Parts: sequence; C-alpha cells; structure tokens
Amino acid sequence: KAGVTQTPRYLIKTRGQQVTLSCSPISGHRSVSWYQQTPGQGLQFLFEYFSETQRNKGNFPGRFSGRQFSNSRSEMNVSTLELGDSALYLCASSLQGAATGAFFGQGTRLTVV
Amino acid sequence: QKEVEQDPGPLSVPEGAIVSLNCTYSNSAFQYFMWYRQYSRKGPELLMYTYSSGNKEDGRFTAQVDKSSKYISLFIRDSQPSDSATYLCAMRPQGGSEKLVFGKGTKLTVNP
Repeated sequence: KAGVTQTPRYLIKTRGQQVTLSCSPISGHRSVSWYQQTPGQGLQFLFEYFSETQRNKGNFPGRFSGRQFSNSRSEMNVSTLELGDSALYLCASSLQGAATGAFFGQGTRLTVV
Repeated sequence: QKEVEQDPGPLSVPEGAIVSLNCTYSNSAFQYFMWYRQYSRKGPELLMYTYSSGNKEDGRFTAQVDKSSKYISLFIRDSQPSDSATYLCAMRPQGGSEKLVFGKGTKLTVNP
C-alpha cells in the first residue's frame, strides 16, 4: 500500500511570492492534516480536512490556506511568503474512526529567501 | 504551560542500553497517545499508538501511559545505532478531530 505522498520535496521561493504544496493520502484515508515543523517551534498544527471540509484550523495567519478534493488529495497554499515561513511542511493522513494513528509523508522543505 | 512537554535532550547512550523517553501533558482530555520516530530530513514515522492508560509492547519498544499522572513513556530495549533519531510524542482527545498535539522531540544517539 502506498504511503502519503507529498510534492514537491524541496522548494525555494522569494519573499512575497506564493506557494502551493500537494499531498496525496493513503488510499482510503479521508482525513488529511497539515503541520509546520521548525527547529524552534517543533510540529505545529495548521489545519485538518475531512471529506472536503475544513474541520479544524491552527493558529496561523490567513496567508495559510488549504483545500481538499473529492479524491481526498489536499493542497495547502501560502501567499505573500515571509522569511519565517521557511520550514518543513508535513501532511498526515488518518483513517477516520479507526484507532490506527496518523501517517506522515516525507514533507516539503520550503526555503524562503 | 505548554500542553505537552518533552525533554529535548540530546540523549546519548551506548549500544545495547535501555532507553527511556518521556512526555508530560496538561490536558486531561487527551485519550490517544502516539510515539513517532523521525530521522534527519524525513517525515515522522509512527512507532506506537495507545489508547487511554496501560502498556503496549511491540518488539523492542514498550509504550506506557499513566493518565493519573499525565505522563507517557517509551522504552527501547537493546538499543541499536539505527535507533538514533528524534522521538516525538503526540496525543489527541477522543472525538472526531484527528488533530495531534506534539512534544518538541528528544534527539537520541546510540553509540556503537
């Protein structure tokens, strides 16, 4: 069974630009969550989607947004990039209602210069 | 006070040692507890998943949850150099959301 796939793996962007990251969850998983990981703050929750609906949102500015498609694939977008947005962005998929935990992709490492 | 506290280490042990990793938490609503292993430049890998209090064993790994003390542990027996990684605890309450709250992670090095 294929795991969680995130693309691209690496990105370098300039301040002020926008970026879109993609996540394909494990087949059959309809719950997708996004996290930002930085050395100083650790893993911080961005948002969660289930069946194309945002179910939960973390404490991030409105520049961070996301969506989920009918096939459960998810994208997150960051507009007007700032240097502080440089981080590893991780996507996790879960089988809703099953006691199996969340499975992470390899992440997208975003560098803002 | 942060919801989940985890000693960042670093922790350095000789090969074959028993490793004890711990987290404390403040939210009594947490019911599901997880341990992840993260190698450098990789995504977190789910190691152990437990519900409520008790112990769970999987090979060389044992997870313990003490809800009365709001304390969880991961024990690694016969540690190997390949266990060198950052270990993250994570937890969430019961309910529909899959949102996890993470500790900051403990960096472990097992020396051959």
